[in-house]
Amino acid sequence: DTGVSQNPRHKITKRGQNVTFRCDPISEHNRLYWYRQTLGQGPEFLTYFQNEAQLEKSRLLSDRFSAERPKGSFSTLEIQRTEQGDSAMYLCASSFEGGNIQYFGAGTRLSVL
Amino acid sequence: AQRVTQPEKLLSVFKGAPVELKCNYSYSGSPELFWYVQYSRQRLQLLLRHISRESIKGFTADLNKGETSFHLKKPFAQEEDSAMYYCALEDFNKFYFGSGTKLNVKP
Repeated sequence: DTGVSQNPRHKITKRGQNVTFRCDPISEHNRLYWYRQTLGQGPEFLTYFQNEAQLEKSRLLSDRFSAERPKGSFSTLEIQRTEQGDSAMYLCASSFEGGNIQYFGAGTRLSVL
Repeated sequence: AQRVTQPEKLLSVFKGAPVELKCNYSYSGSPELFWYVQYSRQRLQLLLRHISRESIKGFTADLNKGETSFHLKKPFAQEEDSAMYYCALEDFNKFYFGSGTKLNVKP
């Protein structure tokens, strides 16, 4: 296990298209987080899972965004009808339940043209 | 609302000089605070957390509740400390990050 893995690393899409990103957390970790990071800003919390349950969603997460973690292992983040404002780095992190050290993936950089 | 402020976008110091990266927070309660670091071409990683009260790579950070600050300090900066540093606050399993400070340590 080499840590949190995110795919793809880069995604270029046209406005209006749907995109899906994948995150594979560290295998023993039951918490999984999604963040968005734009240029010059820190990571912004989007949502998190404990096992397969999505426990919280930020108000930043519009209804075009949906995240799943169907078996409590990997997670997907889908953005429907992408807009140019969705261009950002999307980061995934995982941690143990009850632990607050987050282990981050390398991120998926989305560019919406 | 929870908020983490890092007032400096960029901090440049010479090797061997002291470093202080500022972090202020607003939180109604007892905060759990962290410093994360991102070296060039690497992923974001934990540097230290206040609850551990430890020194990592010569860095320390003290929580000052009166000033609502959690500044990161190192007495003698090294070139390998050059990186982006993010202060973060945890609120019931959600994490809020500051906008980051780029530390540039010049030879």
